[in-house]
Amino acid sequence: RKEVEQDPGPFNVPEGATVAFNCTYSNSASQSFFWYRQDCRKEPKLLMSVYSSGNEDGRFTAQLNRASQYISLLIRDSKLSDSATYLCVVNKISNTGNQFYFGTGTSLTVIP
Amino acid sequence: GAGVSQSPSNKVTEKGKDVELRCDPISGHTALYWYRQSLGQGLEFLIYFQGNSAPDKSGLPSDRFSAERTGGSVSTLTIQRTQQEDSAVYLCASSSPGIGYGYTFGSGTRLTVV
Repeated sequence: RKEVEQDPGPFNVPEGATVAFNCTYSNSASQSFFWYRQDCRKEPKLLMSVYSSGNEDGRFTAQLNRASQYISLLIRDSKLSDSATYLCVVNKISNTGNQFYFGTGTSLTVIP
Repeated sequence: GAGVSQSPSNKVTEKGKDVELRCDPISGHTALYWYRQSLGQGLEFLIYFQGNSAPDKSGLPSDRFSAERTGGSVSTLTIQRTQQEDSAVYLCASSSPGIGYGYTFGSGTRLTVV
């Protein structure tokens, strides 16, 4: 079983729509969670960390459910510039060190 | 520097040649990771360095791939006898020690084996 699983999409939504992505992780010992954004032919960039209490950054809201082992990202009032691939990332410290596990990404296209 | 620096940004090489890719992490970041990404695909983990510990090489696809990190800073990924299937973007990332920090990627080296 993969450490992190995401629905690859694609999600095609009209401008102004609200869209949500989910991601599940397999290891209950996972300690930190992040959403990264990757534009076409660019490197992934940190979008936001995900905290147990949930956190919001403008139009973006991230939630963590430890009991069910999933994290979510909600984008409100989608903009054309939100079109990208969104990667779920899970982090834990083990005896081999500080390891990050990436989902394969969810593709979002916002349509005018 | 302020970010993770990778060089070269693009590399075209002939099949069978060796290539070296360089990564200069953010100063103070003790953890360094190499990934590769083929067109339209997800990130494939290659190798992870943490401080002075033995690297986690579990993602290296074959013995043609090796990496080293000198002085706990700059890392070099070497691919020997390159094959066409090695063509991909090779991404390096570094992070601060401890939990709660994401990591920062370099802009990658686009390798094309012809």
